[in-house]
Amino acid sequence: ETGVTQTPRHLVMGMTNKKSLKCEQHLGHNAMYWYKQSAKKPLELMFVYNFKEQTENNSVPSRFSPECPNSSHLFLHLHTLQPEDSALYLCASSQGRDSGKLFFGSGTQLSVL
Amino acid sequence: EDKVVQSPLSLVVHEGDTVTLNCSYEVTNFRSLLWYKQEKKAPTFLFMLTSSGIEKKSGRLSSILDKKELFSILNITATQTGDSAVYLCAVERSGGGADGLTFGKGTHLIIQP
Repeated sequence: ETGVTQTPRHLVMGMTNKKSLKCEQHLGHNAMYWYKQSAKKPLELMFVYNFKEQTENNSVPSRFSPECPNSSHLFLHLHTLQPEDSALYLCASSQGRDSGKLFFGSGTQLSVL
Repeated sequence: EDKVVQSPLSLVVHEGDTVTLNCSYEVTNFRSLLWYKQEKKAPTFLFMLTSSGIEKKSGRLSSILDKKELFSILNITATQTGDSAVYLCAVERSGGGADGLTFGKGTHLIIQP
């Protein structure tokens, strides 16, 4: 148990569906992140939130929409995804935005059909 | 553009062997190098290295950084099947925090009984 919980663990969706990924951290951290991990590729940073404010959007397509209602919860809303969006989506948190030491959740394995 | 190259990409050894994993990097304004272990899905933090030549140790794992030659190694002695995982190396740019983290593709280590 890393203190960061992600749901669901697995998700299969069609290209016309809308779904959401949820992340919750119990560590009292101030910064939260979404990463994408595709096969044979390095972890890619998608979004950064610091004290609920989005500070980074790494040119992510608008079909991915993050939401951070408070410092403990982070969502990733998905709509009209493409098959190439199939990947492991990892949530992470850190004490502050200036810390490289991340605590990761177990991820959501997403398959887009 | 920051770059992290890990080698080998995969490695199979027998229980009890010693392994050395490599990470070379190019980064503007280096701040730290981090190692993570990814079993199943969630990467977990192992080490953060900031100073050259100082070994960090935790049980059978140790790591050292060479800032002149721009690389780090992760050593695992007396390997056990529980060491089987993907080992991720990341470098942090000064002032970037987790925003400024660049990950390598990882080394997939398999320990055979």
